[in-house]
Amino acid sequence: DIQMTQSPSSLSASVGDRVTITCRASQSISTYLNWYQQKPGKAPKLLIYAASSLQSGVPSRFSGSGSGTDFTLTISSLQPEDFATFYCQQSYSASWTFGQGTKVEIK
Amino acid sequence: QVQLQESGPGLVKPSQTLSLTCTVSGGSISSGGYYWSWIRQHPGKGLEWIGYIYYSGSTYYNPSLKSRVTISVDTSKNQFSLKLSSVTAADTAVYYCARTTMSTVTNFDYWGQGTLVTVSS
Repeated sequence: DIQMTQSPSSLSASVGDRVTITCRASQSISTYLNWYQQKPGKAPKLLIYAASSLQSGVPSRFSGSGSGTDFTLTISSLQPEDFATFYCQQSYSASWTFGQGTKVEIK
Repeated sequence: QVQLQESGPGLVKPSQTLSLTCTVSGGSISSGGYYWSWIRQHPGKGLEWIGYIYYSGSTYYNPSLKSRVTISVDTSKNQFSLKLSSVTAADTAVYYCARTTMSTVTNFDYWGQGTLVTVSS
């Protein structure tokens, strides 16, 4: 299986901050990388697919970048509704795997 | 708007078989163009993809669970189902069903709300 490692595991930030979350794959996955947001008690929501494409309806403050093994999710100006846990997911290999998650908390 | 809803017992005894059904509305499973997946989340933990099915009945399972998993589809009811055999406490989790795009970069674009299954005697 391809292992996905996110960093940090958690972070504290204030409204308006620029937030960056990193995801690293154990082998090259080109741009076969998606990002999800999960709020407590809710299902994950697709934010970014193919490393940098914004899912329909997702605010433009979310962006993704990277290719190969290193990827980044950026929130340009953190909003109150953005406090959640974020997961990356690879679809390069047929056995799809997720990162362990990054929890974004209020400072 | 596609909607998915999981249903099934919330409590399963150890060694028995966990059975869940996902009912899809707002779109037809048999129209093709999508896989239909099961994903689980252990309490307070990350996400684990279990497997998927296509409307034709073709399946692909996570190798770590393959020996215990069966996913089936009933296009007449617009449903797909999960069976996980020989469960233990380690199978206690929230189980999600999700529509899975067949695009170049496969992703899970619509999810059910999830259902908690507890394995306990």
